[in-house]
Amino acid sequence: AQKVTQAQTEISVVEKEDVTLDCVYETRDTTYYLFWYKQPPSGELVFLIRRNSFDEQNEISGRYSWNFQKSTSSFNFTITASQVVDSVVYFCALSEAQSGNTPLVFGKGTRLSVIA
Amino acid sequence: KAGVTQTPRYLIKTRGQQVTLSCSPISGHRSVSWYQQTPGQGLQFLFEYFSETQRNKGNFPGRFSGRQFSNSRSEMNVSTLELGDSALYLCASSILAGEAGELFFGEGSRLTVL
Repeated sequence: AQKVTQAQTEISVVEKEDVTLDCVYETRDTTYYLFWYKQPPSGELVFLIRRNSFDEQNEISGRYSWNFQKSTSSFNFTITASQVVDSVVYFCALSEAQSGNTPLVFGKGTRLSVIA
Repeated sequence: KAGVTQTPRYLIKTRGQQVTLSCSPISGHRSVSWYQQTPGQGLQFLFEYFSETQRNKGNFPGRFSGRQFSNSRSEMNVSTLELGDSALYLCASSILAGEAGELFFGEGSRLTVL
């Protein structure tokens, strides 16, 4: 069965510090997709990135970067030079794709607080 | 273009009542998924509809039901409400079903059951 674990429930950092949000997943499929979403106070989940299981290349988008390591079943998310506006909840998610893409399974989320 | 619209945004019901929540997807999106978010269980998949057909269903009791109309708008209904149904109900749309692509979420309907 698929499972996503975000061990960090809450993280607090001082503005301009770098912060890494951890995500560990479990799946028996060899084909799957991993996602990160963020959830501001307004409630909607906002898509950040999708990675398929065959692409272990790390990705950088502005201050955001993602480190996908199949060997450790991890898909970690790093925010460089954090800002107060980054203070939202971040979710990691998994969709298995071996037999048609399954609905997203989310981790419990990590609430990031960036202190000015 | 307009995003995913959910109505009502907030509602309060009492145990035993029923509730209907509505979701209008982004224009051109034919797939609608529903998720329940609670502090204890987190985000849990309820169901997915595509072209008026339920494609997938999560592990929820039969009190939870949904449907999709020909214009892709979707409704979900919860009957015989229980205290534990208090949650944020999120709707998401995508162009096709099962794409494992980007889902576009609405701001949710926050249900409180007293």
